[in-house]
Amino acid sequence: DIQMTQFPSSLSASVGDIVTITCRASQSISTYLNWYQQKPGKAPKLLVYAASSLQSGVPSRFSGSGSGTDFTLTISSLQPEDFATYYCQQSYSPPRTFGQGTKLEIK
Amino acid sequence: QVQLQESGPGLVKPSETLTLTCSVSGGSVGSDNYYWSWIRQPPGKGLEWIGYFYYSGNSNYNPSLKSRVTISVDTSKNQFSLKLSSVTAADTAVYYCARERRDGYKFDYWGQGTLVTVSS
Repeated sequence: DIQMTQFPSSLSASVGDIVTITCRASQSISTYLNWYQQKPGKAPKLLVYAASSLQSGVPSRFSGSGSGTDFTLTISSLQPEDFATYYCQQSYSPPRTFGQGTKLEIK
Repeated sequence: QVQLQESGPGLVKPSETLTLTCSVSGGSVGSDNYYWSWIRQPPGKGLEWIGYFYYSGNSNYNPSLKSRVTISVDTSKNQFSLKLSSVTAADTAVYYCARERRDGYKFDYWGQGTLVTVSS
């Protein structure tokens, strides 16, 4: 299985800040990397797919980059509704695997 | 608009079989363009992929669950189902059904999730 490691596991930030979350794969996955946002009691929501493509309807303050084993999700100018848990997920091969999550909290 | 909705018992006894159904609207489970998937999340923990069924008859399961899992599709009802046998307390989780696009391999639509508790 391909292991996905996210860091940090938690992060405190303020409205307006720029935030970066990192995800590392245990082997090269090209750009088969997706990012999801999950709020308490809700299903995950797709934000970014194929490492850097923004899903339709997702605000442009979200962006993704990377290839191979190292990836980042950046949120420019944090908004109150962005405080949530974020997961990366590899779609290179089954079994699909997720990072352990990064909880973004209000400072 | 595509919608997925899980249904099934919220409480299952240890050693029994967990059965959940996902009803799909706004799309067809008979389409070759998607993998119909199940993902679970134990309380307070991360996401675990269970597996998918693909209309051509292929399926793919997480090796950690493979011996206990069956995912099937009912095109007449536009539904797909999960069966997980010999459950233990470790199978207590919120279970999500989701659609994975074969072009892009992304989970673009999810059900709201249903909590299944394994307890006697």
